[in-house]
Amino acid sequence: ETGVTQTPRHLVMGMTNKKSLKCEQHLGHNAMYWYKQSAKKPLELMFVYSLEERVENNSVPSRFSPECPNSSHLFLHLHTLQPEDSALYLCASSQELSARTDTQYFGPGTRLTVL
Amino acid sequence: AQSVTQPDIHITVSEGASLELRCNYSYGATPYLFWYVQSPGQGLQLLLKYFSGDTLVQGIKGFEAEFKRSQSSFNLRKPSVHWSDAAEYFCAVGASGYNKLIFGAGTRLAVHP
Repeated sequence: ETGVTQTPRHLVMGMTNKKSLKCEQHLGHNAMYWYKQSAKKPLELMFVYSLEERVENNSVPSRFSPECPNSSHLFLHLHTLQPEDSALYLCASSQELSARTDTQYFGPGTRLTVL
Repeated sequence: AQSVTQPDIHITVSEGASLELRCNYSYGATPYLFWYVQSPGQGLQLLLKYFSGDTLVQGIKGFEAEFKRSQSSFNLRKPSVHWSDAAEYFCAVGASGYNKLIFGAGTRLAVHP
């Protein structure tokens, strides 16, 4: 596989469930990102990792817990979510974190529905 | 604070017509500007980016954008739209510090045959 992949593509969960979203990049990049895309709202940056270390938590509720075990994989662990958390969750990666010019490459996203 | 405004939520054009999508940004220093496209059920794909130099930037799929500092704008254009261009288009600015993107709300493009 090439590029950035995300699994699952669709997820329906109840408010008491625990689930995880997975992102994998095959580009040899060092930085990875989680974004939330809600209807009628701009994309919101949630978390940023550089070389497996979290460098930003953009005021995200603790019911979202990221994990970056290595530079190729990024997870988003979900627990006790609310219906307003239903959204498209996008993962992205870039070569480096420090360069503002560095292009971010996006995965196809996971469409999450919380019942 | 940095921000991006895309004034048009929806635009409809006829196939073969020209297209211009507007983007205005607010940023104190030299902006790094991007246009991404998102097809239904897909992630975002980079169309083009501006860092410095020539203010007219060429991208993929026949798109171009012009950076106008005096107007704080980075409008996307295409001379002749194809039905496959129907998608949502996002303008973004690279924020200060590390590689952080601030996105506009997006413009959804519909193409009539």
